[in-house]
Amino acid sequence: EPEVTQTPSHQVTQMGQEVILRCVPISNHLYFYWYRQILGQKVEFLVSFYNNEISEKSEIFDDQFSVERPDGSNFTLKIRSTKLEDSAMYFCASSEPSGKKLFFGSGTQLSVL
Amino acid sequence: AQSVTQLDSQVPVFEEAPVELRCNYSSSVSVYLFWYVQYPNQGLQLLLKYLSGSTLVKGINGFEAEFNKSQTSFHLRKPSVHISDTAEYFCAVSGQGNEKLTFGTGTRLTIIP
Repeated sequence: EPEVTQTPSHQVTQMGQEVILRCVPISNHLYFYWYRQILGQKVEFLVSFYNNEISEKSEIFDDQFSVERPDGSNFTLKIRSTKLEDSAMYFCASSEPSGKKLFFGSGTQLSVL
Repeated sequence: AQSVTQLDSQVPVFEEAPVELRCNYSSSVSVYLFWYVQYPNQGLQLLLKYLSGSTLVKGINGFEAEFNKSQTSFHLRKPSVHISDTAEYFCAVSGQGNEKLTFGTGTRLTIIP
């Protein structure tokens, strides 16, 4: 079965540094998402992306966050100046044109020190 | 907006015993409902989904769930669990026409040999 791939699996960074989390969605999918899961908490929606623009974003997705689809295959999440509270597992997801089933990657564990 | 409540944060069950993981949702519009499973150190995998039609939905690994509109519930069941079912289970909801998922806090299923 096709899958969403995320790199790196673990990322450690210093507070205030910029990080880029990378995702390769499934090739024929049109909708792309980022979610995050702080340790012990629920999975939270961050942002959805369709037709090369953000279609929806949550309150968490402030000016420190940005997303980009720089080429035909990658989908990235950038955090400009990381804070301690950004430490979480970040999941990328994509969905088929019908949008009824999300496929999730295995996540990037971000640790901000 | 939608919300999901998973009342049980942890459920221990003996191997080969039945299990039910509870999920209740709240929404002012018609919804789609999902159960995702997260095995240790892995991403989120779709177990099953309810979009329309029969209220009893069968998924992978012998799981099923029943949509009950009057009780706003979507409980997950399996008649006989296996050690390999040890995982975190997330109920999720989306509005019809809106692909964003809202997750519950998860239920950790632990199988006792």
